[in-house]
Amino acid sequence: AAGVIQSPRHLIKEKRETATLKCYPIPRHDTVYWYQQGPGQDPQFLISFYEKMQSDKGSIPDRFSAQQFSDYHSELNMSSLELGDSALYFCASSHPSGPNTGELFFGEGSRLTVL
Amino acid sequence: AQKVTQAQTEISVVEKEDVTLDCVYETRDTTYYLFWYKQPPSGELVFLIRRNSFDEQNEISGRYSWNFQKSTSSFNFTITASQVVDSAVYFCALGNFGNEKLTFGTGTRLTIIP
Repeated sequence: AAGVIQSPRHLIKEKRETATLKCYPIPRHDTVYWYQQGPGQDPQFLISFYEKMQSDKGSIPDRFSAQQFSDYHSELNMSSLELGDSALYFCASSHPSGPNTGELFFGEGSRLTVL
Repeated sequence: AQKVTQAQTEISVVEKEDVTLDCVYETRDTTYYLFWYKQPPSGELVFLIRRNSFDEQNEISGRYSWNFQKSTSSFNFTITASQVVDSAVYFCALGNFGNEKLTFGTGTRLTIIP
């Protein structure tokens, strides 16, 4: 079965550069979530989208922005990168009214390293 | 506010021993979901189980079992006859009905010694 696809899997950037992460949810899933997991930390919720509208917001820095497109894929844009942005970024999708209501399906994550 | 506490930061056991990972949660919601995820060294989050707050029936799946006790707000996870491949970080998480946003615990790093 198709899973959540994240790209790129690995990304290395310099401080003050910009990075964009992409997420392709499971087909027919209309909700996308972004999480950030720092080294040795638990995943922290950043932001979510439902039907292309922002549905919830967590501890996302102002330097970050995200959107969900008409094909339901989502992009997380990070500008003015800082060393502390180095982390594993997870995207997850769900179908609120589907048979697995209440379950998030996670991608394999995108590892961002800021030098 | 929701909170998930995994008091055990690291656990090491010898292979074939049983091990229990503790999870205690706090929520004001009367209906919610509880989850366990496994994160092996490769980094991906592997879904293990989801329980609904209105279903306190314990569950066994192979070597894995889960003990959900609403009275003590606990959702503990036991691995029987542990194997080296069980070595990973295990996260307990709490979610809401109608909003799948999850609150994770800080994780328990489990090391199985051959």
